[in-house]
Amino acid sequence: EIVLTQSPATLSLSPGERATLSCRASQSISNYIAWYQQKPGQAPRLLIYDASNRATGIPARFSGSASGTDFTLTISSLEPEDFAVYYCQQRSNWLALTFGGGTKVEIK
Amino acid sequence: EVQLVESGGGLVKSGGSLRLSCAASGFTFTNAWISWVRQAPGKGLEWVGRIRSKTDGETTDCAAPVKGRFTISRDDSKSTLYLQMNSLKTEDTAVYYCTREVGYTFDYWGQGTLVTVSS
Repeated sequence: EIVLTQSPATLSLSPGERATLSCRASQSISNYIAWYQQKPGQAPRLLIYDASNRATGIPARFSGSASGTDFTLTISSLEPEDFAVYYCQQRSNWLALTFGGGTKVEIK
Repeated sequence: EVQLVESGGGLVKSGGSLRLSCAASGFTFTNAWISWVRQAPGKGLEWVGRIRSKTDGETTDCAAPVKGRFTISRDDSKSTLYLQMNSLKTEDTAVYYCTREVGYTFDYWGQGTLVTVSS
């Protein structure tokens, strides 16, 4: 099973600040990583697929990048609606899709 | 508008069974791969399993924790997906989401249905 480790567990920032979320894979997964946003009481929403491609309707302030087994989701300038939990997910091992443990972005 | 609406959740005793349904609309269901993803209370996301489209064989894959206990099926005439859960354990307690799977990524999600397994 491919393990995804997200850090930090919690990120405390103010609106307008830049958020940098990390996801590290336990083995090489090419660029097969997706990012999701989940707000309390809601289903997750796809933000980024294949490391750097924004899903339909996702604002340009969300971007993704990759370096080896390290993946980053960046929110360039936090809007009030961006405070949520973010999960990464790998699709390299399609028989055992796995998610990271999540990063909560909270208002400082 | 794409919609996925789960139903069938509830309280069941350990060892019991439950069948969840997911009604889909707003896209061509017959061509879609659909997955179930669950989330235990206050925890992260866990993939449960998928069913491929009929043209792709209508085959299923299930995650190790549920293999042999959960079965996924579909009725394309009703645009509905099913998750039959047998031999339920307390650790199966979670919100169960159905999701449309494209390239092993989940682009649309339902609102989820809560399954609680009591001891």
